[in-house]
Amino acid sequence: EPEVTQTPSHQVTQMGQEVILRCVPISNHLYFYWYRQILGQKVEFLVSFYNNEISEKSEIFDDQFSVERPDGSNFTLKIRSTKLEDSAMYFCAIRDTPDQPQHFGDGTRLSIL
Amino acid sequence: GEDVEQSLFLSVREGDSSVINCTYTDSSSTYLYWYKQEPGAGLQLLTYIFSNMDMKQDQRLTVLLNKKDKHLSLRIADTQTGDSAIYFCAESILTGGGNKLTFGTGTQLKVEL
Repeated sequence: EPEVTQTPSHQVTQMGQEVILRCVPISNHLYFYWYRQILGQKVEFLVSFYNNEISEKSEIFDDQFSVERPDGSNFTLKIRSTKLEDSAMYFCAIRDTPDQPQHFGDGTRLSIL
Repeated sequence: GEDVEQSLFLSVREGDSSVINCTYTDSSSTYLYWYKQEPGAGLQLLTYIFSNMDMKQDQRLTVLLNKKDKHLSLRIADTQTGDSAIYFCAESILTGGGNKLTFGTGTQLKVEL
């Protein structure tokens, strides 16, 4: 079983709307990640988060994207004004230390209409 | 930059061994991973290997790493129909940031009766 739960499993949103994807770790973890997978393509890194701040982000992670841990538990990815090309599976991943593997949630399928 | 390549398809008969190959470009990879993705599902960690190891065996799975050639392989012994899925290799590079994963294109394994 994944050590992290993602909600919702499927989100359908109109273009231009804001979406928030949630990641709920089952226990305390230190490192958090978001990845996305456009249908039929590679899994791509978006952002990593450690000690309540972004530690690394990709070119995809532009000003439309933001992440936070508002209550010290949930880890969220917000897309401010969605575009058609944001349609993808979004995966949250967690790890405890740099020498441990990342464990992924089951993903949120985001569909932008 | 990092680049990870895999062949797209592999078809085997049930009971045979499957070998899925992966090449990567970044010699500073610290860990290399194999993830399995079933249709519509998340990324399940299968196994991983530290870059100073040559081989790792875990039940039906054998990982071989040739660091000189930057070549990683996953061998599945006695392949079953339940092994049908997409298999992703991924590399992790220790950086001051978040140790992001760079994924390959994925190999779709089809197991025939």
